[in-house]
Amino acid sequence: AQKVTQAQTEISVVEKEDVTLDCVYETRDTTYYLFWYKQPPSGELVFLIRRNSFDEQNEISGRYSWNFQKSTSSFNFTITASQVVDSAVYFCALSEARPGYSTLTFGKGTMLLVSP
Amino acid sequence: DGGITQSPKYLFRKEGQNVTLSCEQNLNHDAMYWYRQDPGQGLRLIYYSQIVNDFQKGDIAEGYSVSREKKESFPLTVTSAQKNPTAFYLCASSKSLDTGVAYGYTFGSGTRLTVV
Repeated sequence: AQKVTQAQTEISVVEKEDVTLDCVYETRDTTYYLFWYKQPPSGELVFLIRRNSFDEQNEISGRYSWNFQKSTSSFNFTITASQVVDSAVYFCALSEARPGYSTLTFGKGTMLLVSP
Repeated sequence: DGGITQSPKYLFRKEGQNVTLSCEQNLNHDAMYWYRQDPGQGLRLIYYSQIVNDFQKGDIAEGYSVSREKKESFPLTVTSAQKNPTAFYLCASSKSLDTGVAYGYTFGSGTRLTVV
């Protein structure tokens, strides 16, 4: 069975600080996908990134960056120079890639509070 | 614009009543999902459907029922058998599950159900 652990329940930072959200996953499959979603107070989940298990390159998108390390089964998310608008709940998710079956398993989320 | 519409945004249910949550998508996605979100619990899968007239139970299907008569629609009924239905319900859709590729989900804005 697959499992995603986000050990940080809540993180509080002051604007312009860098912050890293941790994600550790478990799966027996060699082919799988990892995701990060953002849930602002409005409630709708917003897709941020998808990474497959064969691509360990780190990715940067503006102030966001992701560090994928298969050796430690981690897919951490860093926000550089945080802003108040980054305040949200962030979910890490995992999907095994089998034809006909690939539902997402979510972690419990990390609530990020960025204060001015 | 394509997207997922969930209605109503807020729903109040009396004890012993069945209620139906609506989910409609115009993204031409094959797969649709229902998740339940409780504080501190992350998202848990209730039901999912890959094609019309077919659906599978997720991790917490007891007390819920679904139908998939049209590709665009995947309503969720919360029955009186669901002992603790107060939660935030999210509907999502994605491209076909048959390719062995896990696509990201597109989420609706959710329905907050409260038992009164």
